[in-house]
Amino acid sequence: DVVMTQSPLSLPVTLGQPASISCRSSQSLVYSDGYTYLHWFQQRPGQSPRRLISGASNRDSGVPDRFSGSGSGTDFTLTISRVEAEDIGVYYCMQGTHWPRTFGQGTKLEIK
Amino acid sequence: EVQLLGSGGGLVQPGGSLRLSCAASGFTFSSIAMNWVRQAPGQGLEWVSTIGGGGATYYADSVKGRFTISRDNSKNTLYLQMNSLRAEDTAVYYCAKTWHLDSWGQGTRVTVSS
Repeated sequence: DVVMTQSPLSLPVTLGQPASISCRSSQSLVYSDGYTYLHWFQQRPGQSPRRLISGASNRDSGVPDRFSGSGSGTDFTLTISRVEAEDIGVYYCMQGTHWPRTFGQGTKLEIK
Repeated sequence: EVQLLGSGGGLVQPGGSLRLSCAASGFTFSSIAMNWVRQAPGQGLEWVSTIGGGGATYYADSVKGRFTISRDNSKNTLYLQMNSLRAEDTAVYYCAKTWHLDSWGQGTRVTVSS
């Protein structure tokens, strides 16, 4: 199975400051069609997960442009340019290239 | 508007069975892959199973042989038949649409306990 490793697991941030989460995979996430199926999800407290980013860098509809995704191969990053209070929650990366699908452990974003 | 409404959760004894449902609306259900993902109390997300629009199925090793994913395109409904339930199956179960989980339902809670 592809192991997804996120860091840090806890991320205290100051409102208005940037934040970055790393996600590394144990195998390349480039599929045979050339696409990289690495996705980012946000789970706010008490809510269902919501996809933010697909294909490593494509923001989903309605997602604020302060969220961005980057990376390739096995090394990926989710960046929030200026953290707002509504961004509090847990962030997960997930690979959709290989079976079984696997998630990272989750990174808890909290306000300092 | 896409809606995914999960139901069927509850309390069940170890070794028992339960069938979860996910009623879908707002998109062409029959052509879209669907998934089940679970979250144990205080834990992260775990992919459980996927069914393609053509019916191909995929399972996590932890549930293979015990869980069966299926769909009824005439009712726009996804199912998860769970047999031989164990304490470690206790979780909130979410349904999510497409191969890459672009929308999620509200979750249904399953508790396996005597």
